[in-house]
Amino acid sequence: EDKVVQSPLSLVVHEGDTVTLNCSYEVTNFRSLLWYKQEKKAPTFLFMLTSSGIEKKSGRLSSILDKKELSSILNITATQTGDSAIYLCAALPTQGGSEKLVFGKGMKLTVNP
Amino acid sequence: DTAVSQTPKYLVTQMGNDKSIKCEQNLGHDTMYWYKQDSKKFLKIMFSYNNKELIINETVPNRFSPKSPDKAHLNLHINSLELGDSAVYFCASSHYVRTSEAFFGQGTRLTVV
Repeated sequence: EDKVVQSPLSLVVHEGDTVTLNCSYEVTNFRSLLWYKQEKKAPTFLFMLTSSGIEKKSGRLSSILDKKELSSILNITATQTGDSAIYLCAALPTQGGSEKLVFGKGMKLTVNP
Repeated sequence: DTAVSQTPKYLVTQMGNDKSIKCEQNLGHDTMYWYKQDSKKFLKIMFSYNNKELIINETVPNRFSPKSPDKAHLNLHINSLELGDSAVYFCASSHYVRTSEAFFGQGTRLTVV
């Protein structure tokens, strides 16, 4: 069965700290890995990673995929209270051409002032 | 200008009732999804439709029936509601071929009492 595991499951930091979120996956016919940020309601898309070793950046957030290690990390530098959220990692296997995101349980980040 | 909209946002109902949740997207996407997020925040896919055709049907009770009248709409009907159905249900949409970035609706919090 396809599986995505995130660690840690929760983290409390102070503003200005740098955090690294980990995601590992075991999926058949892996295609891409996606990161989402979920605040109060809907998950919002952050990154999609398909190629190994190529970092994607958006402001203070960056992410990279390691297909050898079947994992990805999401880095957040100079954290702010607005970064407090649940961060979801999802793997996208190719399954007969259909799209089926397999989500991890999420990592709850709390940034204290 | 809402991209993926679900109604209602909150739904409180008694066990045994039948209820529907509606979803509409104005993004021109051809694939739509229903996800269930349980009390532990674990997001799991239930169904996926591409151009009104069911392409993913996970192991959910057959009390749950999706209906896609056109590719911009995917409704979820639930018969004989049970306490364990209480969760947040998210609708999402994406381009089938071009991208795996799923856009999520704001969720419907269903509480069965």
